[in-house]
Amino acid sequence: NAGVTQTPKFRVLKTGQSMTLLCAQDMNHEYMYWYRQDPGMGLRLIHYSVGEGTTAKGEVPDGYNVSRLKKQNFLLGLESAAPSQTSVYFCASSYDRPISGLPRDTQYFGPGTRLTVL
Amino acid sequence: DAKTTQPNSMESNEEEPVHLPCNHSTISGTDYIHWYRQLPSQGPEYVIHGLTSNVNNRMASLAIAEDRKSSTLILHRATLRDAAVYYCILRDGSNYQLIWGAGTKLIIKP
Repeated sequence: NAGVTQTPKFRVLKTGQSMTLLCAQDMNHEYMYWYRQDPGMGLRLIHYSVGEGTTAKGEVPDGYNVSRLKKQNFLLGLESAAPSQTSVYFCASSYDRPISGLPRDTQYFGPGTRLTVL
Repeated sequence: DAKTTQPNSMESNEEEPVHLPCNHSTISGTDYIHWYRQLPSQGPEYVIHGLTSNVNNRMASLAIAEDRKSSTLILHRATLRDAAVYYCILRDGSNYQLIWGAGTKLIIKP
């Protein structure tokens, strides 16, 4: 199993450009999440999804949109990038029930996408 | 959401035990204590979790104070590969959000 994969690994955008980050998981997880991590800080939740076709806002949703058309994929879009969106973006997924002694929402993370907006 | 307080950084020698403290004085009865770690240039990974009792797994042990206002992650024999940022997180049993602090950067000296 590949686990959680993210595409692309790195990207540089100019202010005002748009882009989509792709997250894919092959663990049949119900829940998926998008986080951003700024230097020296913990992760902040942008949006999350509890199932195919459903999304919800997290702690810092402004400037981002998401879609979950297929269970295994969760897309994060930036319609008009701003320098304040320069960050490392992590995708995660989790089960909706306890598995093998782990809590039901143990999150599995992708390797991250480093985004720079000039 | 309940908050956690951790030291910014800690140092330890290789092959010695490490005790990483976490204070969570506003914890509620339904909050689980989760620990994740983030190795350099990687996404976080789950380490351990607990509610009231001490817990052990292959990676670490979690000691929870009787009043649940603090907990300690114990790495029994730290290696260089354990150098990472360790996050202590309180997870409300009724929502899907993990609220992350800045964590503790663990430095392992050879």
